Amino acid sequence: ETGVTQSPTHLIKTRGQQVTLRCSSQSGHNTVSWYQQALGQGPQFIFQYYREEENGRGNFPPRFSGLQFPNYSSELNVNALELDDSALYLCASSAQETQYFGPGTRLLVL
Amino acid sequence: GENVEQHPSTLSVQEGDSAVIKCTYSDSASNYFPWYKQELGKGPQLIIDIRSNVGEKKDQRIAVTLNKTAKHFSLHITETQPEDSAVYFCAATYSGGGADGLTFGKGTHLIIQP
Repeated sequence: ETGVTQSPTHLIKTRGQQVTLRCSSQSGHNTVSWYQQALGQGPQFIFQYYREEENGRGNFPPRFSGLQFPNYSSELNVNALELDDSALYLCASSAQETQYFGPGTRLLVL
Repeated sequence: GENVEQHPSTLSVQEGDSAVIKCTYSDSASNYFPWYKQELGKGPQLIIDIRSNVGEKKDQRIAVTLNKTAKHFSLHITETQPEDSAVYFCAATYSGGGADGLTFGKGTHLIIQP
């Protein structure tokens, strides 16, 4: 167990809707990263938050946005959902370069 | 940006034998290389990592080697056991210059035959 928790575990949405996913980081970790993992693929980096500021982003459009709170927990928001957004969404917390992953939220877009 | 290639995509070995998974990376600036194990329905679990100032690291039955010149690194699992069956991912990043998002390979499905 890493101490990283995510909610909800599963979610079903329809195309065009918006979704918010949540992550609680491991105690003592001030950095949270979000990843998208399509079926049969490796995780892809969405963005990273450090001390409530976004400090890096992968190749994802602006409809993917996030927040980090003073307690270092984080949210991932996705607007205007598309069918291809169906995936496992993972958050990882870290204090230095080592990233510890949560169990993920499986999102299905119909 | 960084690109990580991982081989093989599927590896089947007899219980007790060794397994080797290989990865190559493209960005010579990358300096941190973790390996993750992912079981069905779970998030990736860190099993070992190596930094670019080290050529080899071992933790019980698991070892990782890094060749910076050739830009490749490998995971070695000895005396494989049924619980080693899972999908393994290698990753690479440059650590120390801001956001260090990991770039992952596509994964290796390791099957341990009893």
